[in-house]
Amino acid sequence: QVQVVESGGGVVQPGASLRLSCTASGFTFSTYGIHWVRQAPGKGLEWVALMWYDGTNNYYADSVKGRFTISRDNSKNTVYLQMNSLRDEDTAVYYCARASGYGFSFLDYWGQGTLVTVSS
Amino acid sequence: QSALTQPASVSGSPGQSITISCTGTSSDVGAYNYVSWYQQHPGKAPKLMIYEVSHRPSGVSDRFSGSKSGDTASLTISGLHTEDEADYYCASYTNTITWVFGGGTKLTVL
Repeated sequence: QVQVVESGGGVVQPGASLRLSCTASGFTFSTYGIHWVRQAPGKGLEWVALMWYDGTNNYYADSVKGRFTISRDNSKNTVYLQMNSLRDEDTAVYYCARASGYGFSFLDYWGQGTLVTVSS
Repeated sequence: QSALTQPASVSGSPGQSITISCTGTSSDVGAYNYVSWYQQHPGKAPKLMIYEVSHRPSGVSDRFSGSKSGDTASLTISGLHTEDEADYYCASYTNTITWVFGGGTKLTVL
């Protein structure tokens, strides 16, 4: 069955860096995009980034552009989210999700999320 | 990248129908048929309920349906069950090749 699993969350200080991983199984990983979405405590969902299936294109929300970088290693069925210059407002549960449909327009399988806490 | 507008809360009794609206702009909801809906129970990951405005993934009850008119999309749940109580989020592709979610709607089944 299709699974995506996030890892790498933790507690870091403002200004620090952290790398999240999203490892997938149960489907042909190299033919799907992967989205990252976050949810601050008690708040709604916020789209963060998308990486295309082949790594040729990636897109970011304005709130993270220039600080976060998405990449993938199809040999490991893994997408990474490198987060630099972390701020208090980046505190959230980070979900990765498989991107499906034309233009990877919807998110059909989600992981359980990994919590990132930015605090001094 | 302003969030799509959803009502903060809706409620209904078991067996009734409810509709949740999702209002965007001509740059997102109004421009593409790429609206999707997600259900989230407390402490759980979101689950896809509707994609491309009105399509249901395999395994999702046909009590859930979606539609769109202009810049506003809607999710209708008919024959409410107690287990439908959850948060619901709409999302749309935008003309800047980004995605935007709604603020979420808390559904209470009385």
